[in-house]
Amino acid sequence: EAGVAQSPRYKIIEKRQSVAFWCNPISGHATLYWYQQILGQGPKLLIQFQNNGVVDDSQLPKDRFSAERLKGVDSTLKIQPAKLEDSAVYLCASSLDWEQPQHFGDGTRLSIL
Amino acid sequence: SQQGEEDPQALSIQEGENATMNCSYKTSINNLQWYRQNSGRGLVHLILIRSNEREKHSGRLRVTLDTSKKSSSLLITASRAADTASYFCASRGSNYKLTFGKGTLLTVNP
Repeated sequence: EAGVAQSPRYKIIEKRQSVAFWCNPISGHATLYWYQQILGQGPKLLIQFQNNGVVDDSQLPKDRFSAERLKGVDSTLKIQPAKLEDSAVYLCASSLDWEQPQHFGDGTRLSIL
Repeated sequence: SQQGEEDPQALSIQEGENATMNCSYKTSINNLQWYRQNSGRGLVHLILIRSNEREKHSGRLRVTLDTSKKSSSLLITASRAADTASYFCASRGSNYKLTFGKGTLLTVNP
């Protein structure tokens, strides 16, 4: 089975610019997650979708981050405007449902100058 | 906030030796999972242990869970250079959220 696809793999922007990340989950997976992983730390959940509805976005900085899941399949995560502290790897994961193990993409490494 | 804490933060061993990593968590859990992350890659699920289980095996992996101490351990037997990676425990509490620890960086020297 094809894995979770993410693009781009790397992105360098200046602070106050905007950026968007794309994720295509494994086919048939109802649950989709976006995580932020700062260097040397474990992933931190930003937002969780069940089909195309948001289940949890309690740790998403909503003044600058937004996410959507189109038709319950692909998802995009946007940052506008970016701050220096947003430098991190953004990981997308999917699972059959919220109780099942999660499958991760290889992430987008974001550097803010 | 991150609920799990792995110990040690870094571990270096020789090929063929066993590697043990420990994880502590703060609140009651439904299950605890271990993931591996190779440098520059996403996380890969290794094993899941439920709160009513005490030990689980998968190939060269052995996981134990002690809910009274709120701790878990991951043992990798007969380690190989390919086992070099970061290992994370992730706990699922009474809500649906999976909370990851900071990870243990394992280096297996050939």
